[in-house]
Amino acid sequence: EPEVTQTPSHQVTQMGQEVILRCVPISNHLYFYWYRQILGQKVEFLVSFYNNEISEKSEIFDDQFSVERPDGSNFTLKIRSTKLEDSAMYFCASRDRLNTEAFFGQGTRLTVV
Amino acid sequence: AQSVTQPDIHITVSEGASLELRCNYSYGATPYLFWYVQSPGQGLQLLLKYFSGDTLVQGIKGFEAEFKRSQSSFNLRKPSVHWSDAAEYFCAVARTGGGNKLTFGTGTQLKVEL
Repeated sequence: EPEVTQTPSHQVTQMGQEVILRCVPISNHLYFYWYRQILGQKVEFLVSFYNNEISEKSEIFDDQFSVERPDGSNFTLKIRSTKLEDSAMYFCASRDRLNTEAFFGQGTRLTVV
Repeated sequence: AQSVTQPDIHITVSEGASLELRCNYSYGATPYLFWYVQSPGQGLQLLLKYFSGDTLVQGIKGFEAEFKRSQSSFNLRKPSVHWSDAAEYFCAVARTGGGNKLTFGTGTQLKVEL
């Protein structure tokens, strides 16, 4: 069964450093998303991406965040200068044009120290 | 703006007992509705979804959910819980147009007593 793959599974970084979280969506999917879940809290939408551009973003997704689809398979989330409050589980998701069901990856746990 | 309420933060049931997890949503029209399950340290797995049609939907692992428009609810049920069902359950809603971003509830942590 096709699945969304995220790497790394866990990343520890120092405050102020840049991090890139990577995702390989399901191959025929066209809509891509990033969500985050701060420990003990609910899953929150960050950004959606379609046709090589951001289609929607939340207020959380400020100038420190960016997304990119550098090639035909990867979808990345970059945090330019990490803060302690960026520590969370980050989930990538994708869906295809015809199906509104989103498939989630296993997540990347980001710890900012 | 759409929102989802899961009024039960924690629920404990005995193995073999029935289960109902509550979910209420707020949205101007009929949304797409979902239940996801998250085991400790794991990602989000889709249990079931409602787009349209039959208001009683069947999912994986023996779960079902019923959409009740009059109550703006989409409660998750299982007739007989197994110990492996212990996990956190999230109800989510998506707009029927646009980018279909998901809005999640705060989750219900299910504990199963043997």
